[in-house]
Amino acid sequence: EILLTQSPGTLSLSPRDRATLSCRASQTINNNYLSWFQQKPGQAPKLILYGASTRATGIPDRFSGSGAGTDFTLTISRLEPEDFAVYYCQQFGRSPYTFGQGTKVEI
Amino acid sequence: QVRLHQWGTGLLKSSDTLSLSCAVYGGSFSGHYWTWIRQPPGRGLEWIGETNHLGNSDYNPSVKSRVSISLDTSKKEFSLKLTSVTAADTALYFCARRVSAFTGYGPPYYYMDVWGNGTTVAVSS
Repeated sequence: EILLTQSPGTLSLSPRDRATLSCRASQTINNNYLSWFQQKPGQAPKLILYGASTRATGIPDRFSGSGAGTDFTLTISRLEPEDFAVYYCQQFGRSPYTFGQGTKVEI
Repeated sequence: QVRLHQWGTGLLKSSDTLSLSCAVYGGSFSGHYWTWIRQPPGRGLEWIGETNHLGNSDYNPSVKSRVSISLDTSKKEFSLKLTSVTAADTALYFCARRVSAFTGYGPPYYYMDVWGNGTTVAVSS
């Protein structure tokens, strides 16, 4: 099983700050199989990025992704109030498909 | 625009069988994998399993002996059954669509782009 470790667990920032979230995999993952999701309380996860760096439909360009192999990064260039949420990385490289434990971005 | 609507029994007793369904509105039913994910209270997300219209299924080993995911192509619905539930199965359950996007070169992109709203399942002893 591929373990995804996200850091930090919690990121305390202010609106207009830059957020950098990390996801480290226990094995190499092809970029095409790495996604990032945003989840707000009581809601389903929302796809933010797929293929490690491709924004999903309707996602603003302040969200960007990078990385390869075992190290991946989600960057939010300038936090808006609606961006405060929990973010998960997820892999389809090898079954069972797994999620990271999440990074909470809080004010 | 594709939308998923899910429903099912929310309160179970230990050893019961969990049964949830998810209807697909809009878009193609074939050509995708249909997936179930769960989230225990206050915790992260766990992939349960998936299946497609060709009968290709894959399940998480953590539940493999107890789980089945099936499709009703005529109704554009898919279902989750989990037998012998315990308190550890208490969670918010989501259905989702897994896309395989082929670019013409290299491996395809795999991602879950559409999710249901979630169904809370509580198991009491």
